[in-house]
Amino acid sequence: ETGVTQSPTHLIKTRGQQVTLRCSSQSGHNTVSWYQQALGQGPQFIFQYYREEENGRGNFPPRFSGLQFPNYSSELNVNALELDDSALYLCASSLDASNYEQYFGPGTRLTVT
Amino acid sequence: ELKVEQNPLFLSMQEGKNYTIYCNYSTTSDRLYWYRQDPGKSLESLFVLLSNGAVKQEGRLMASLDTKARLSTLHITAAVHDLSATYFCAVANTGNQFYFGTGTSLTVIP
Repeated sequence: ETGVTQSPTHLIKTRGQQVTLRCSSQSGHNTVSWYQQALGQGPQFIFQYYREEENGRGNFPPRFSGLQFPNYSSELNVNALELDDSALYLCASSLDASNYEQYFGPGTRLTVT
Repeated sequence: ELKVEQNPLFLSMQEGKNYTIYCNYSTTSDRLYWYRQDPGKSLESLFVLLSNGAVKQEGRLMASLDTKARLSTLHITAAVHDLSATYFCAVANTGNQFYFGTGTSLTVIP
């Protein structure tokens, strides 16, 4: 059984650009959640996907969007990047939307200059 | 939106001492999580507390949950340097979406 993986590990973007971050869920997990962790802060919930449908959203603007694919891998897309988007982005998968365990990936460190 | 507060934010302890980190949350939940995070790393799950009065212990760490008071504690016994890290509590809402505290940065001094 493989764990949660994320790619890329690090990337640097310029303000105004768009970025796509990827997450592969743990085998058999159909629910994925994305979190943003700014430096020195706790992770903040962005949104959750369950069986390819958005299943809840935190207080983030529409330029943060996501996709979940039939194989339950997932993408986080951020348009019109701002400096404040610089953060560690974590995805977490769970067996289903009601299962209490979430398994976190290693994260993607995004720097916006 | 569910609010989660931790205190203290920073904690400097001498080796061998005991201390407690507190986690308060704003709305009813019966699921409370504690995580450890080392610099530049992801979150490592420490404890999952699923009911009122739940207590779990692992090594020098013990976590408890009081759902009526909306309070969880993480107690550190006889701290050692290896425990230096940032500790987060998180509460899950009914949609299984996690809300994290601001974290407690723990430094254990020899």
